[in-house]
Amino acid sequence: DAEITQSPRHKITETGRQVTLACHQTWNHNNMFWYRQDLGHGLRLIHYSYGVQDTNKGEVSDGYSVSRSNTEDLPLTLESAASSQTSVYFCASSEIQGAWNTEAFFGQGTRLTVV
Amino acid sequence: AQKITQTQPGMFVQEKEAVTLDCTYDTSDQSYGLFWYKQPSSGEMIFLIYQGSYDEQNATEGRYSLNFQKARKSANLVISASQLGDSAMYFCAMRQEDSNYQLIWGAGTKLIIKP
Repeated sequence: DAEITQSPRHKITETGRQVTLACHQTWNHNNMFWYRQDLGHGLRLIHYSYGVQDTNKGEVSDGYSVSRSNTEDLPLTLESAASSQTSVYFCASSEIQGAWNTEAFFGQGTRLTVV
Repeated sequence: AQKITQTQPGMFVQEKEAVTLDCTYDTSDQSYGLFWYKQPSSGEMIFLIYQGSYDEQNATEGRYSLNFQKARKSANLVISASQLGDSAMYFCAMRQEDSNYQLIWGAGTKLIIKP
């Protein structure tokens, strides 16, 4: 069965360190997304990609970067981790760009704590 | 401006009763899609139901139905015959052309089913 997996599931890191969260999907979807989830905010979009070599900034992209070298993977990098980036991070993928009736499939989430 | 509003931060419902979770949205687009996701305590995001703006019938998926009132811009989720396993966070989301087809999320409603 196709799926989308994130790793690690939990991570604790120190302020100022670079951290990379992995996301791998086997749906063969062109569209991939990174969200963060904080209490009271629902999910907020960090970065997204519509295909290989395509990346775009979302609502809360400061301090984060992504790269898309293949269809399956969209790693999220925190350049210099800050306590404000303590959150739960979700990766998602969807099939069709520019369509309003496409559901997104989510990974299990990564809980990141910056100390 | 808040595009998706879920006015109930939390709800308690007796098992086997029906429950309605509120969602109102703001858009000037004619074409858009509305989604409901469930997030149990384990953390994963589970797609429940979708309603398109042009759909004439309210969407239904098993015990889930969507009370779509386009003129009022509301898309309330109705869960019939609630079960203990329905206890979770529930998120309403919208996809529209105006936001580049990205999912815009509400802050969520925490539903607790009492035995």
